Formats: sequence, C-alpha cells, structure tokens
Amino acid sequence: QVQLQQWGAGLLKPSETLSLSCAVYGGSISGYYWSWIRQPPGKGLEWIGEINHVGGANYNPSLKSRVTISGDTSNNQFSLKLRSVTAADTAVYYCSRGLSIAAAGPLGFWGQGTLVTVSS
Amino acid sequence: DIQMTQSPSSLSASVGDRVTITCRASQGISNFLAWYQQKPGRVPNLLIYTASTLQSGVPSRFSGSGSGTDFTLTISSLQPEDVATYYCQRYNTAPLTFGGGTKVEI
Repeated sequence: QVQLQQWGAGLLKPSETLSLSCAVYGGSISGYYWSWIRQPPGKGLEWIGEINHVGGANYNPSLKSRVTISGDTSNNQFSLKLRSVTAADTAVYYCSRGLSIAAAGPLGFWGQGTLVTVSS
Repeated sequence: DIQMTQSPSSLSASVGDRVTITCRASQGISNFLAWYQQKPGRVPNLLIYTASTLQSGVPSRFSGSGSGTDFTLTISSLQPEDVATYYCQRYNTAPLTFGGGTKVEI
C-alpha cells in the first residue's frame, strides 16, 4: 500500500518561497503521476500541478509562473516550491498520486496535509 | 480551461434519504470524472472514478453516473457517517479541476 508522508515549513512571510516535500513509501516515484493540491481554510480544492514518469510536468496556469515541482528518485520523494507567496497562498497543501500509472487523475493516494500560513 | 460546477452547494437530509449531487462540465470530458469525499478535518478520499467505478472499499450505497458534461453522485440511503463535503473533479486533461463542493448535513 502506497503511503505519502509530507513535511515543510508551516509559517512564511510574504515574498518568501514555500517549500514542501513528500516522501513515498511502498512504491517508486519513477512511475505514476505525482501531484500537489491545496485547500485554503474553509474553501475548496485547487490542483497545483504534477510531475510524471515520462519526464514531464504540468501546472495550473493560475500558478505556473511561481511553481516548480520536482522529483528526487534517489530519495524517492518529490517537492513543491511556490515563490513570492502572499496571504492568498495560505492553505493546507496535499501531495498525491494518481490511481493508475497512465494519468494524473484520479487522485488515489494522499499525504496527510500541511497547513502553510503566510503572515507578516 | 474547463470549469466544473456542482449543485447544490449544500444540502440537509435525513438518515435513510436518497441524496443526489450534480456536477456539470463546461465542455465534454467523456467519463474522466471522479468524486471525492472529505470529512471535516480529514484528507479527501476517492469514492468514484471514470464517472461510475466505485473505488475499492467504498460502500455500495454510493454510485455515480453520467458522461460528457453532466454527472451525478447518488447516496442511496444517507448514513450519519456520510456527513462530509463532496467534490467532483475532471481529469481528462491538465489542469485537473475540481467542482466547488457540496456540503452534506443531516
């Protein structure tokens, strides 16, 4: 059974860079699609982007200019960086894996979530 | 981008009621539609994918239908443990997009 364990800084100041990582247990990141999703307090889900086993990445156009998702096969983990954060980036961030090897969705496995707060 | 619109945004029903949630895509997405359940303070959980396939371990009172632009999630007999927010999501192309959610209360 695949398990995702995520971590990263929970409190940032405006203009700083959000950095989260997600370790994968019970499977290799060399296959499948690996996504990040976020959820502002009391609001809905927003897909941030994904990296995939064919060497590509896709991002939400609304965040594309500030986001980088990368993989680390040696440590079997993947990471999210979001630059120049503002209060609007305050959210619970989730890492996730596609259910099948063929596509980013549906999202079959999720990390536990990390609350990131942006405040001066 | 293709937008996903869910309705209603919230509903209240009694235990044993049949509950239906709808999700509409702004363009056709074939059957690349998933439903997730998110209980308060918990991680979202995949219920249904390819519009109507029940994820392993999900109770059979949940079902999904639809294709193209119009989809439904049905709970045949609402149980207290079904109190949650339900989200649809399309995954035919990037960016994957979610509906706004439907909060189900008893």
